[in-house]
Order: sequence, then C-alpha cells, then structure tokens
Amino acid sequence: AQSVTQLDSQVPVFEEAPVELRCNYSSSVSVYLFWYVQYPNQGLQLLLKYLSGSTLVKGINGFEAEFNKSQTSFHLRKPSVHISDTAEYFCAVSTQGGSEKLVFGKGTKLTVNP
Amino acid sequence: DAGITQSPRYKITETGRQVTLMCHQTWSHSYMFWYRQDLGHGLRLIYYSAAADITDKGEVPDGYVVSRSKTENFPLTLESATRSQTSVYFCASSEGFARSNQPQHFGDGTRLSIL
Repeated sequence: AQSVTQLDSQVPVFEEAPVELRCNYSSSVSVYLFWYVQYPNQGLQLLLKYLSGSTLVKGINGFEAEFNKSQTSFHLRKPSVHISDTAEYFCAVSTQGGSEKLVFGKGTKLTVNP
Repeated sequence: DAGITQSPRYKITETGRQVTLMCHQTWSHSYMFWYRQDLGHGLRLIYYSAAADITDKGEVPDGYVVSRSKTENFPLTLESATRSQTSVYFCASSEGFARSNQPQHFGDGTRLSIL
C-alpha cells in the first residue's frame, strides 16, 4: 500500500519570499503524483500533476513541483508567494495501473504574512 | 453550470438520527468518491464508486452507507449518527477509465455537526 508524508503541518512565510512544501511518498510500484490546494471553506482544486516525462512540472498560480524518484519526493515550490496563496496544500498519490483511488497526505497549512 | 454540487453545505443533527448528504455531478464522470476531512488526519476515503450500481469501501467506511442508482448522484447516509462523525465531508468525481491518472474534482463540502 502507498502512503504520503507531508513533513510540515504549518509553514509561515512573508509575502514575496520563496516557499517549498515537502512531500514524500512510499510505494512498491510506480505512481502518479498530485498537489491540490484548498482555500478556506472550499473544496480541493488541482494545482499540478506528475504522470510521466519531465520531472519538473508546472502548475497554476506560478507553482511547480519536482519529482525525484530516488528520494521518493515531490516537493512543491513557488519563487515568490502572495497573500492570496494562503491555503492548505495536499500532496496525493495513486498507483500506475491501479484503481482511481488517491491517498492524501495530511496537508500543509501555508500562511503568507505581509 | 457544470460541476459537482454538495448539499446541504451545513447540517446540525443529533446522535442516533439518520442523515443523508447529497452529491450531484454534471460531467458524467464514472468515478465518484466520498471523503471526510478532520484536523490532523487530512482526507480519508469513506466509499467510492466506479459506475452506477458499483460501490466499494474506502479507508473508513464503518457507520456509512452509499448508493449509486444514477451516474450523476452519489448520496452518503449516516444511518445512526455519532459524535465521532462530526466532520467536513467532501464528494469528488473523476473520469476514471481505470488509468488512475485522472485528477479528482471536488465539491465545496458539507460541514456536519452531530450533537
């Protein structure tokens, strides 16, 4: 069975600073990887996904993530954050050739301060 | 408008009562999911459905019942609510095709409080 670990439950940063949200996964088979964002009182929205090919994936709102198979990581980055990026971010994994089920990490609350 | 709609958005009920949370999607996605979100636990899968009349248990199915008589609807029923089922519930759908690489699309959630 696969699992996802988001190493930081909360990340405070100042506006215009860079940020990295860390995600590690465990799986005995190849995986697909996703990052979702949840704004207050809303559902989750897809930020980006890694299916295959280039290990650097670009998503919406200036976010990008890099798949590192040897370190089983899929860290999310943004070079300069805005107040509006304040939200909770979830990393998720599904297994290639498996079911449609996603396994989610416990989330990282990003707070951008002025 | 196309999308995935959950109702009600907020619900307060008492222990022992039956409550049904509704989920409706207009994309004709084959897969639908129910999650609960609790502080410190992230999202946990309750039940999912691959198509009409096909449902399967997720990680935390106890105390919940689902049905899927039509592709677009996937109601979740708590037959006898308990305080431990106080949570925010999210419905999601995906195109499926059994390739496991399709993103899931989420509703805005139902905040359920059981007194």
